[in-house]
Amino acid sequence: SAVISQKPSRDICQRGTSLTIQCQVDSQVTMMFWYRQQPGQSLTLIATANQGSEATYESGFVIDKFPISRPNLTFSTLTVSNMSPEDSSIYLCSVEDGTATSFNEQFFGPGTRLTVL
Amino acid sequence: DAKTTQPTSMDCAEGRAANLPCNHSTISGNEYVYWYRQIHSQGPQYIIHGLKNNETNEMASLIITEDRKSSTLILPHATLRDTAVYYCIVSPRPSTGANSKLTFGKGITLSVRP
Repeated sequence: SAVISQKPSRDICQRGTSLTIQCQVDSQVTMMFWYRQQPGQSLTLIATANQGSEATYESGFVIDKFPISRPNLTFSTLTVSNMSPEDSSIYLCSVEDGTATSFNEQFFGPGTRLTVL
Repeated sequence: DAKTTQPTSMDCAEGRAANLPCNHSTISGNEYVYWYRQIHSQGPQYIIHGLKNNETNEMASLIITEDRKSSTLILPHATLRDTAVYYCIVSPRPSTGANSKLTFGKGITLSVRP
């Protein structure tokens, strides 16, 4: 199984600023995913980040608002740009276990709890 | 949109079996049923998956009806640590290079009482 860490674990930010969230994996993985979980809600996929290619964004999410980097097979960042209180959420990264080629077992990080004032 | 429907919540007594139902009446032939759970303040955790046969692992059992339109996750001896939101998800089996995204619904909140 993959072990995932995220930084920061939580932050309180002012509106109009940007925050970059880091996701580090202890093994090389091809596919990484970024999710958002708004208060009291389920997880919503923001984008899929594969190393060496542009991230693929889901409907309702755009690169200008959530730019993603994927410089290598163990690391990714998600930036929440020009934040507003509506961006207050938990942001989670996940990876697909490269050895589990027969099914969708994803491993999730602990999340970054963001509060925008 | 999630392709599954689950009750909002349920509870069970510690030590008893917890049976969590899920409806997925529009499931396609190439789609698997996956179960994840999210304990408070943690990221989701994979539990089990299945296609059409019943499956069992160290965490749980998955019973899928013959028509594959519904399934039940069984925690045979629930403990207080099993209190969590349980998500039933249908998703295609990934092939090489395919996007293996998971679509989470609202899940069912299981409360295990002492």
